[in-house]
Amino acid sequence: EIVLTQSPATLSLSPGERATLSCRASQSVRSYLAWYQQKPGQAPRLLIYDASNRATGIPARFSGSGSGTDFTLTISSLEPEDFALYYCQQRSSWPLLTFGPGTKVDIK
Amino acid sequence: QVQLVESGGGVVQPGRSLRLSCAASGFTFSSYGMHWVRQAPGKGLEWVAVISNDGRDKKLADSVKGRFTISRDNSKNTLYLQMNSLRPEDTAVFYCVKDLTTGAVKYYFDSWGQGTLVTVSS
Repeated sequence: EIVLTQSPATLSLSPGERATLSCRASQSVRSYLAWYQQKPGQAPRLLIYDASNRATGIPARFSGSGSGTDFTLTISSLEPEDFALYYCQQRSSWPLLTFGPGTKVDIK
Repeated sequence: QVQLVESGGGVVQPGRSLRLSCAASGFTFSSYGMHWVRQAPGKGLEWVAVISNDGRDKKLADSVKGRFTISRDNSKNTLYLQMNSLRPEDTAVFYCVKDLTTGAVKYYFDSWGQGTLVTVSS
């Protein structure tokens, strides 16, 4: 099973600041990685797929990069609605899909 | 717009069965693979099952293999999850999820329902 590790566990930032979230895979997942945002009491929302492609309707302040084992989700300037939990997910070893444990972005 | 509405959750004793349903609208249901993803209370996400757009191909996570069955009725735009031999560790919110693309399943989760809570407890 491919294990995804996300860091940091919690990121405390202020609105307007840049957020950089990391996802590391235990073995190469090529570019088959997605990012999701989840707010309390809500279902997750797809942000990025195939490492760097923004999903429909996702603002340009969200960007993804990386390949192989190291990936980054960047939020260029945090809006109040961006404070949430973020998960990465790999599909390289389908159907043995795995999610990371999540990074919480909270208000400093 | 895409709507996915789950139903069928509730409290059930260990060893019993439950069937979840998901009513889909706002897109061509028969063109997309569909998934179930679950989330235990306060925990992360776990993929459970997938079914191809035509219902011929199905795959399950190892944790539910032999106990859960995924199916769909394209004439009714409905996805199902039959859960047998339920265990306390199956307690979770179960989400019905649409795959990202038409045709071959891409295993990215594009649209999610609001979820239905399944609690397995005596």
